[in-house]
Amino acid sequence: DAGVIQSPRHEVTEMGQEVTLRCKPISGHNSLFWYRQTMMRGLELLIYFNNNVPIDDSGMPEDRFSAKMPNASFSTLKIQPSEPRDSAVYFCASIKGPSTDTQYFGPGTRLTVL
Amino acid sequence: GQQLNQSPQSMFIQEGEDVSMNCTSSSIFNTWLWYKQDPGEGPVLLIALYKAGELTSNGRLTAQFGITRKDSFLNISASIPSDVGIYFCAGRNTNAGKSTFGDGTTLTVKP
Repeated sequence: DAGVIQSPRHEVTEMGQEVTLRCKPISGHNSLFWYRQTMMRGLELLIYFNNNVPIDDSGMPEDRFSAKMPNASFSTLKIQPSEPRDSAVYFCASIKGPSTDTQYFGPGTRLTVL
Repeated sequence: GQQLNQSPQSMFIQEGEDVSMNCTSSSIFNTWLWYKQDPGEGPVLLIALYKAGELTSNGRLTAQFGITRKDSFLNISASIPSDVGIYFCAGRNTNAGKSTFGDGTTLTVKP
């Protein structure tokens, strides 16, 4: 299996621009998570989906952030408009089922907002 | 919400030495998890603990689920250079897959 796939791996953009991060979970996995990692705040859960339905989005920082999962094999995290404080590494992770503990993380997208 | 305190924040050790790190919570968890993150990659699960008092090993790694269910420990014996990375603890209480992560322990191993 290819594992969790994220794109792009690196993104540099200017403040005010729209940014879209993409994730393809492992085939057959039913839950998908978006995390943000920074030096100051560590690893934060932004939102997670179960069977394509958002279950908990309490970690989404503000209205500028939105996430979708139109089908079982694809999810996006969008930031509009982006700000310098959004600079971080964004990880996507998936698990087979809600009671399965092994979260498989993607390689991450390093976002820099100038 | 639930908070995890992970310590130490960083460690600098000599190859061959043993390492200990721990995680404490303000409330109980039903599952404790330990992950390792290599530079430029996502975290990878090392050990999962499901019962209070449980002691589980994975090669040179040993982790324990505290009796109070509010803490967990990870030990690495005879460290080697490839042990370098960030180690995260995580706790779970539901079947929905959501975990709370600690801030991580950065390990540096000098040859």
